[in-house]
Amino acid sequence: DIQMTQSPSSLSASVGDRVTITCRASQGINNYLGWFQQKPGKAPKSLIYAASSLQSGVPSKFSGSGSGTDFTLTIDSLQPEDFAIYYCQQYSSVPLTFGGGTKVEI
Amino acid sequence: EVQLLESGGGLVQPGGSLRLSCAASGFTFNTYAMTWVRQAPGKGLEWISGITNSGGSTYYAGSVKGRFTISRDNSKNTLYLQMNSLRAEDTAVYFCVKGAGTTPWRKEVDYWGQGTLVTVSS
Repeated sequence: DIQMTQSPSSLSASVGDRVTITCRASQGINNYLGWFQQKPGKAPKSLIYAASSLQSGVPSKFSGSGSGTDFTLTIDSLQPEDFAIYYCQQYSSVPLTFGGGTKVEI
Repeated sequence: EVQLLESGGGLVQPGGSLRLSCAASGFTFNTYAMTWVRQAPGKGLEWISGITNSGGSTYYAGSVKGRFTISRDNSKNTLYLQMNSLRAEDTAVYFCVKGAGTTPWRKEVDYWGQGTLVTVSS
């Protein structure tokens, strides 16, 4: 199975900050990488697919990059509604696997 | 508008069975792969099973292989997860997730249901 390692596991930030979350795959996954946002008590929401493409309706403050084994999610100008847990997921091969999550908090 | 509505969760004893359903609407169901993802209380996300758009191929995580069965009825726009030999560690919220292609891999997911809670306890 492909292991997905996210870092950091949590981070503290302020409104207006720019934050970056990283995700590393245990083997190359091309760009078969998605990012998800989850708020407490809610279902995850798809943000980014193919490592850098925004899902429909997702604001451009979210951006993704990377290919192969190393990926990043960047959130510009952090707003109160952005405080959540973020997960990466590889869909290069079965079983699909998620990173452990990054909690973005104030 | 895409809607995914899970049902069938509840309290079940260890060793018992449960069948989850996911009623889909707002898209052409038989065109897309579907997936089940679960989340244990206070834990991260775990992909557990996927099925191609036709239902012809199914895929499982090692943690549920041989105990869970994914299926779909394209005439009813409904996805299922039959869960047998349930264990305490299967306690989780189970999410139904729509794929963006015909297979559950090599193509992203885009829409999530709200989830249904399964509790395995005596």
